[in-house]
Amino acid sequence: AQSVTQPDIHITVSEGASLELRCNYSYGATPYLFWYVQSPGQGLQLLLKYFSGDTLVQGIKGFEAEFKRSQSSFNLRKPSVHWSDAAEYFCAVGAQGQNFVFGPGTRLSVLP
Amino acid sequence: DAGVIQSPRHEVTEMGQEVTLRCKPISGHDYLFWYRQTMMRGLELLIYFNNNVPIDDSGMPEDRFSAKMPNASFSTLKIQPSEPRDSAVYFCASSLGVWTEAFFGQGTRLTVV
Repeated sequence: AQSVTQPDIHITVSEGASLELRCNYSYGATPYLFWYVQSPGQGLQLLLKYFSGDTLVQGIKGFEAEFKRSQSSFNLRKPSVHWSDAAEYFCAVGAQGQNFVFGPGTRLSVLP
Repeated sequence: DAGVIQSPRHEVTEMGQEVTLRCKPISGHDYLFWYRQTMMRGLELLIYFNNNVPIDDSGMPEDRFSAKMPNASFSTLKIQPSEPRDSAVYFCASSLGVWTEAFFGQGTRLTVV
């Protein structure tokens, strides 16, 4: 069965530091990959998505993610974190003929 | 467009009562999704519609849950009778296509006591 894992439940970084959030998936088909962000009390907002082509994807708010098929990973990165980036981040995976699945989420805290 | 609108934002009800959650998708979006979010289970897809027709309801937990989409601008998720374990945040989302960006509402926080 398809699954999505985000190994880090909670990450704390200092403002200005770099960030990498991990996402691994297990899917039988070629996946469609997404990263969403959820601020407290809000719905989810799409940061970026990958369907095909260049495996390095640029998103909003300065985020990027890289698809590595050999590692079944789609890690999210940002070179310099801002205090407003504190939120919950969800990796999500889908494929033709298969249900769309969200990972458990990683909560990001940012120290001033 | 005002985005996906859900009502109410908060709902507190007693066990056994009927609960109806409402959603107005973004105009022109053909897909509508209902999700449930809990600490224990994370985000779960309950059901989704395409052009008002339910496509996949395999995520609906029990027969106590039902969803309808009578027209392109309105959907409901009903729980009857409600139970304390139904307490969660319920999100509605809409999109142009099944794999295009889904726009989420702000959610309805349901508490069943």
